[in-house]
Amino acid sequence: SAVISQKPSRDICQRGTSLTIQCQVDSQVTMMFWYRQQPGQSLTLIATANQGSEATYESGFVIDKFPISRPNLTFSTLTVSNMSPEDSSIYLCSAREGLAGNNEQFFGPGTRLTVL
Amino acid sequence: DAKTTQPPSMDCAEGRAANLPCNHSTISGNEYVYWYRQIHSQGPQYIIHGLKNNETNEMASLIITEDRKSSTLILPHATLRDTAVYYCIVRPTWTDTGNQFYFGTGTSLTVIP
Repeated sequence: SAVISQKPSRDICQRGTSLTIQCQVDSQVTMMFWYRQQPGQSLTLIATANQGSEATYESGFVIDKFPISRPNLTFSTLTVSNMSPEDSSIYLCSAREGLAGNNEQFFGPGTRLTVL
Repeated sequence: DAKTTQPPSMDCAEGRAANLPCNHSTISGNEYVYWYRQIHSQGPQYIIHGLKNNETNEMASLIITEDRKSSTLILPHATLRDTAVYYCIVRPTWTDTGNQFYFGTGTSLTVIP
């Protein structure tokens, strides 16, 4: 199994600023993902973080707002840019080894972001 | 997009079996059924998954109907620590485009003392 850690665990930010969230996996993984969970809601996939190339974004999410890096097989960052109160959510990192459907997918503890 | 339908909430008495249903009527033959749960303020936790046959592990049992259009997650002896949101997810056995998880709305299970 893979253990995922995220930094920071929570933050309170001012409108118009940016925050970078770090995700570290304790083993090399093929696939890494970023999710958003708005208050009282389910998880929504933001993007797939691709190692060595640009992330693949889901409908409704764009690179200018949520730039993502993945420099190697164990680490990724998500930046929430030019934040507004609507960006207040929990952001979760997730990882999986391989494309096969029977590989378990692991989730980090999340980063709780509050934008004032 | 999520391809599953679950009741929004359920209650279960402590010590009794919790049976959580999931409808996935549009599931295709090459899609797994996965169950995850999310305890408040934590990341989702894997429970179990299956393709065609019923499955059991130390946490739960998964019963998949013969036509595969629905399934039931069974927690045999629910405890207060099983209070969580339970997500049923379908996922292809293989894709070349990431094989992402898409979450539906889930079922909020409350275990009552």
